[in-house]
Amino acid sequence: EAQVTQNPRYLITVTGKKLTVTCSQNMNHEYMSWYRQDPGLGLRQIYYSMNVEVTDKGDVPEGYKVSRKEKRNFPLILESPSPNQTSLYFCASSSYRGNEQFFGPGTRLTVL
Amino acid sequence: GENVEQHPSTLSVQEGDSAVIKCTYSDSASNYFPWYKQELGKRPQLIIDIRSNVGEKKDQRIAVTLNKTAKHFSLHITETQPEDSAVYFCAAGQGGRTGNQFYFGTGTSLTVIP
Repeated sequence: EAQVTQNPRYLITVTGKKLTVTCSQNMNHEYMSWYRQDPGLGLRQIYYSMNVEVTDKGDVPEGYKVSRKEKRNFPLILESPSPNQTSLYFCASSSYRGNEQFFGPGTRLTVL
Repeated sequence: GENVEQHPSTLSVQEGDSAVIKCTYSDSASNYFPWYKQELGKRPQLIIDIRSNVGEKKDQRIAVTLNKTAKHFSLHITETQPEDSAVYFCAAGQGGRTGNQFYFGTGTSLTVIP
C-alpha cells in the first residue's frame, strides 16, 4: 500500500531534550516536505527536499533541522525543543512529475 | 515571500446548496494551486488542483477557478452533502531548484446542515 508514515504519532517532551520525528514514504517520491499546523494559522512549511542531499528552508525553519540521506526517509530534528514548537507536524511527499502531495498521519508534539 | 489569504474562515450551508471559498495570493511566481480537505483528526487530502496555465477545472461537484491577473482562485462545491463538512485549505506552490515551496491559507471550516 502506497503511504507516508511518521513516528511517533504522539510525543510529550521537555524543553531542551533533543528529539527526532521520522518520516518514510514507499512511493519512490523525489519531493518531501515538513509542515506544522497550528490553530488559525493553517499549515506552514518548515523544510523541503527535492532529492537526496538537497534540502531547503521553508517558511518557518527556525529551531528545526532535516536530513535526506536516503530517498525514502526525511527525518525532522529538534535539537533543543521549546514550548513554542508544540504543534501538529505533517510530513508529505510528491513525485517528480506531479505536484500532488501525500501527507503522513501527523505527529502531535507537546513541549513542556 | 508569498502570502495566501483565505475567506471565509467559517461557512455554514444547507444541504444541497453551493459553497464558495476564495483565496488570494501575492507572488506571481506561484504556478500551482491545490485545495485540500481535512476532516477532524485526519491528514489533509488533495481534492482538486489547478495550474497557472488553466482558468478552470471541474471534477464532479467540485470546481476551481483561477484568475492570474487578479491573483485569486476559488473553490466551488455544488449540491453540498453532510460529508462535505470539513476544513478546506487552499495553497499556492512554486517549483524551484531545490524543491517545491508551498504556502497555505488559514483554512475554512465548512459545515453542511442536513
